[in-house]
Amino acid sequence: DAGVIQSPRHEVTEMGQEVTLRCKPISGHDYLFWYRQTMMRGLELLIYFNNNVPIDDSGMPEDRFSAKMPNASFSTLKIQPSEPRDSAVYFCASRKENQPQHFGDGTRLSIL
Amino acid sequence: AQSVTQLGSHVSVSEGALVLLRCNYSSSVPPYLFWYVQYPNQGLQLLLKYTSAATLVKGINGFEAEFKKSETSFHLTKPSAHMSDAAEYFCAVTSPSGGYQKVTFGTGTKLQVIP
Repeated sequence: DAGVIQSPRHEVTEMGQEVTLRCKPISGHDYLFWYRQTMMRGLELLIYFNNNVPIDDSGMPEDRFSAKMPNASFSTLKIQPSEPRDSAVYFCASRKENQPQHFGDGTRLSIL
Repeated sequence: AQSVTQLGSHVSVSEGALVLLRCNYSSSVPPYLFWYVQYPNQGLQLLLKYTSAATLVKGINGFEAEFKKSETSFHLTKPSAHMSDAAEYFCAVTSPSGGYQKVTFGTGTKLQVIP
């Protein structure tokens, strides 16, 4: 049974560039979450979807961040333009109703 | 509002010794509580969960945790540490008021196991 799949695993890009992070949730899971993990702030919830609909995006730090879920098997988190302070590990997680979340292995993002 | 506090950002134990990682929660309604483990360069994996059934919860890899309402605690224990237990551990809480959707994570405790 495949877990949550994130790509790329590592991304290094220059400030000002657009960054797109991708996530494939576990089949049958109807919730999808995007988190950011840094040393300073720990694990922060950015946004979550239910049945492909964004429910709570209050954790999205700025308008430079956007997330979409065009279908049940794919979601993207986009940063445009990127800044050095966006450097972090970004995790995607998914789950079924009333079940714990399953996490992907994350994307380590470095903005130079 | 809900929150968890993990006491000690770093814990060191000798191989074979008892592991005790502390977590205290705050929630205005009965909580669901979780412990996750994160190995380097990996995502979080669920160790165990408390969902208002038995107060002593057993998880994977020999870990267990006890829900103590009077102490608002959910400490994680393992009788004998193994080298492979070295990782970062996160306590987390959610509640029905948020529809169990929003999970609040603690700041993590890094466990070092000394040979």
